[in-house]
Formats: sequence, C-alpha cells, structure tokens
Amino acid sequence: DTAVSQTPKYLVTQMGNDKSIKCEQNLGHDTMYWYKQDSKKFLKIMFSYNNKELIINETVPNRFSPKSPDKAHLNLHINSLELGDSAVYFCASGLNTGELFFGEGSRLTVL
Amino acid sequence: GNSVTQMEGPVTLSEEAFLTINCTYTATGYPSLFWYVQYPGEGLQLLLKATKADDKGSNKGFEATYRKETTSFHLEKGSVQVSDSAVYFCALMIYNQGGKLIFGQGTELSVKP
Repeated sequence: DTAVSQTPKYLVTQMGNDKSIKCEQNLGHDTMYWYKQDSKKFLKIMFSYNNKELIINETVPNRFSPKSPDKAHLNLHINSLELGDSAVYFCASGLNTGELFFGEGSRLTVL
Repeated sequence: GNSVTQMEGPVTLSEEAFLTINCTYTATGYPSLFWYVQYPGEGLQLLLKATKADDKGSNKGFEATYRKETTSFHLEKGSVQVSDSAVYFCALMIYNQGGKLIFGQGTELSVKP
C-alpha cells in the first residue's frame, strides 16, 4: 500500500490553464504539506495543513490554492499557469516531528 | 533567520570510498536536524535524524553528529556503494514554527563502480 500517493505523476499543459494535483495519505498523520522542487533540486515549502486547518502559507502567489477536505487529503489547485510554475510538486505527511513521508512527486510542465 | 547550507555537488566517488557531505545551519532556536535522500525519480526519504546537541543519527551505514559548537551536521559513510547514488538533503526543523522543515540545496552523489 502506498503511504502518500499523488496524482497525476506527470502533467503537461499550456500557459493560462488551471490544473489540480491530488494527494492522499493512509498513515493517519495529522499534518500534510506541499513542497515545490525546482530544476536545481531546491525544495521549498508552500503550505501545510494540520487536521484540515491551514498552518503554513509561505509567500506563494494566490493562484495556488490548497484544499483539505479531510485530514487524509490535501489537494493543490493552480490557476492561470505560468512558465515559472514548471517544477516537481511533492506532497508529504508527518507528525510535526520533522519526519516526513513524501509522495513520488508530480512533474508539472507549462508550455 | 533559519537556513541550511550544504556543500556543492555533484560529488563523484569510486565504490568503497569514504563519503563526507558537509552541512551547516543557522537557527534562532534549538532545531532538530535531518538528512533526507532522494533516489532518481522518487520522493525524499528520511535517512537519519538528531534532536539535540551531541546526538548521533545513523542508518544504512550513514552517520551524522549534531555539533552545536560548530552548527554542523555532516553526513559520513565509510564505504559507499553504487546504490548510494542519489541527492542528499540536510534539513532542520524548529518546533514552534508549525513543523516546517527547511532544506539545504541538496548535494548530488554519484558512485562509480
């Protein structure tokens, strides 16, 4: 059973489109995260939710909107996609101890 | 502010060589420190951790010691294998900041047979 699963794994789309990435965890963790990894492998936190409540919202454009329908799911919706949004987006879950479990990533390419 | 700095990669070694990847940090509180590993095409996995000064984290032959006096958490392995080829990330977390992990820039390791 996959602990943290995200879909789709690959996403190719045109500038200006709206897209969503879904994430689900079956580990029973209260906290979920979205991280962005750029082409140089640099990882930056975007959001975290604890039991459906937004805890961390880094300086991310408001075109990015996370939604957590329950503590096992954290989805990421992106409006009006731009070229600079091309990256790998990782979902993770954890217990606020710093021990995170990551999904395999969703590679977004904006053309 | 809080930050993590790692040695630049890529690091290329021959099998059975000794590995050191340097990591230093800046933190306003008392962080926990971590090493994560990312194998090609995969997400990150926790490799080891240390939660207080002088703690040593170890796993799969890798070790790192939390050195408060030098604000360092260098990763070492005595004899690397081809299967250790991956990107290694040093990270810190301060508990009063919502469980946010702050990562270094990653160091790519390539081990040749």
